[in-house]
This record gives sequence, structure tokens and C-alpha cells, in this order.
Amino acid sequence: DAGVIQSPRHEVTEMGQEVTLRCKPISGHNSLFWYRQTMMRGLELLIYFNNNVPIDDSGMPEDRFSAKMPNASFSTLKIQPSEPRDSAVYFCASSFRLAGRDTGELFFGEGSRLTVL
Amino acid sequence: TQLLEQSPQFLSIQEGENLTVYCNSSSVFSSLQWYRQEPGEGPVLLVTVVTGGEVKKLKRLTFQFGDARKDSSLHITAAQPGDTGLYLCAGQLRAYGQNFVFGPGTRLSVLP
Repeated sequence: DAGVIQSPRHEVTEMGQEVTLRCKPISGHNSLFWYRQTMMRGLELLIYFNNNVPIDDSGMPEDRFSAKMPNASFSTLKIQPSEPRDSAVYFCASSFRLAGRDTGELFFGEGSRLTVL
Repeated sequence: TQLLEQSPQFLSIQEGENLTVYCNSSSVFSSLQWYRQEPGEGPVLLVTVVTGGEVKKLKRLTFQFGDARKDSSLHITAAQPGDTGLYLCAGQLRAYGQNFVFGPGTRLSVLP
């Protein structure tokens, strides 16, 4: 079975450019998460969706970041305009969550390594 | 300030040695997970612990959840080069919508 699929794997861009990262979650999963990983701050949750609806975006750094999930099989994370401090590895993860005290496993993609010059 | 602290930050040992890494917090967690991440890949779940005092074994790995559900440890017996990677603990918090908050990780290197 295919896991979580992210694209691109690597992106190098110049400051001010728009960056769009893409994610296809595992079929049947109802929750999708975007994380950012840096050496300084570790793995940080940016936003998560449940049944395609954004539930909590309090981790999104600022208005330059936006995320959408138009359907159950696709999500995007957009940065516009990008800045050098956005350089990081961005992970998408999906899970099947039930209401209440869920301890479901997070399945991560391989990540998109972003470098903003 | 990190909600979860992990120690040590880095660990380099010889094949065959035993080791323990720790995950600590002042918060009480609904559950706690351990993940291992290899270079160029996403984290992969190793175990979930839910009950205070719970001990789980996965081959040479032993996981323990503290009685107060604020801390956890991972013990590896007879480490092998294949155990090399970044070990992340993640605590589930009701205050975060039952989402998991990750620690900074312990980077383990097992030398042949």
C-alpha cells in the first residue's frame, strides 16, 4: 500500500517567491497534519485537518503560510512570500482518528526539504 | 521552552552496548509515543504507552511510561548499527486537542 506521498522532495527558491508543497494522505485516513522540522525547534505542528476541515492552525507561523485540503486525498501548504527563515523540512502526516481519547498512529511522508536563499 | 525534554541529546556507542534515553515533562499526558526517524525519512512509530507504569517490549527495545504519566524511558539492549537514528518522544495533550507534541529527540549512533 502507498504511504503518505509528498512533493516536491526538495525545493530551492529565492526569497520572495511562492512555494507550494503537496501531500496525498493514506486512503481512508480522516486526519491530516502538517509539521515543520528544524534543528533548532525540532518537529512543530503547523496545522491539522479532520475530515478535510481545518481544526487548529495555531501553529502556523504567520499570514504568509496557508494550507488547504480541498478533498480527502489532497492537501497543500503554501508560503507566500517565502523567507530564508522558512528553510526546513516540511512533513505531512495522516492518521485515522476516532472522537475522544484517540491514540492513533501518525504516518509520515518522507518530507519536503525547503531551502530559501 | 520545550514541553518535552529528551536526554541525552546525542549518544554515540559501540555495537553490543546497552543504553537508555529519557523523555521528561512537567505535563501529564493522555498517552505517549516513541518514534524513530532515519535520515531523509519521516518518523516511524515504535510504540504507544497509555497507562501509568506501563512497560512494553519490542524485541531489544523496552519502553516504560512513568507512574504519573509525565515521563518515559526507552532502553535498548545490545545495540546494533541498525538502531542508529533520531528517537523522538511525543506526548498527547488534552490541551492541544489530543494532538501529539514532539520532543527535540535523541540522536543515536551505534558504531560497528
